[in-house]
Amino acid sequence: DSGVTQTPKHLITATGQRVTLRCSPRSGDLSVYWYQQSLDQGLQFLIQYYNGEERAKGNILERFSAQQFPDLHSELNLSSLELGDSALYFCASSDTTELDEQFFGPGTRLTVL
Amino acid sequence: DAKTTQPPSMDCAEGRAANLPCNHSTISGNEYVYWYRQIHSQGPQYIIHGLKNNETNEMASLIITEDRKSSTLILPHATLRDTAVYYCLDRQGGSTLGRLYFGRGTQLTVWP
Repeated sequence: DSGVTQTPKHLITATGQRVTLRCSPRSGDLSVYWYQQSLDQGLQFLIQYYNGEERAKGNILERFSAQQFPDLHSELNLSSLELGDSALYFCASSDTTELDEQFFGPGTRLTVL
Repeated sequence: DAKTTQPPSMDCAEGRAANLPCNHSTISGNEYVYWYRQIHSQGPQYIIHGLKNNETNEMASLIITEDRKSSTLILPHATLRDTAVYYCLDRQGGSTLGRLYFGRGTQLTVWP
């Protein structure tokens, strides 16, 4: 158990819909990272937040957005969903410095039908 | 994007040492080498990292060549539970960017 929690575990929805994935980091961790893992693209970095502010962006689509709240939990919002958005979405957290190891949550499996 | 290269698959007998190689020929002086593993769609798990000296922890050992162009992760006594995809990554020190770039990794299969 990494101490990072993600909800829901599974999500099935239709194309065109919008969903919200939630992540609670380990106690005390200020950085939250979101990753997407699909069969064809592998594990890809999406976005990072540090203490409520966006710190870095990766291959995140404009239809996707995220935020980190004052209590440090984070949400990833996916809208206008397409079949290709079906993937595992992982959240990770780390302490203050960028070289700290990242602790990954169990992931949310999104299926878009 | 990932700048490391790893063999796509390896196997190892239970109880033997598993040696997983990684090439990072474009690594720069302030980039660390990190290893993570992912067991069957679970979240990736940190194993070890190093800059230029060899490192050891309770999970594994990391041997980095003197020119830092390659490294080897050693699991000294592999068990069936070590079957996983192992990722070698490089990561820039002193950067404000904490992202991890994962390649395709090496699927390690430990057999009885």
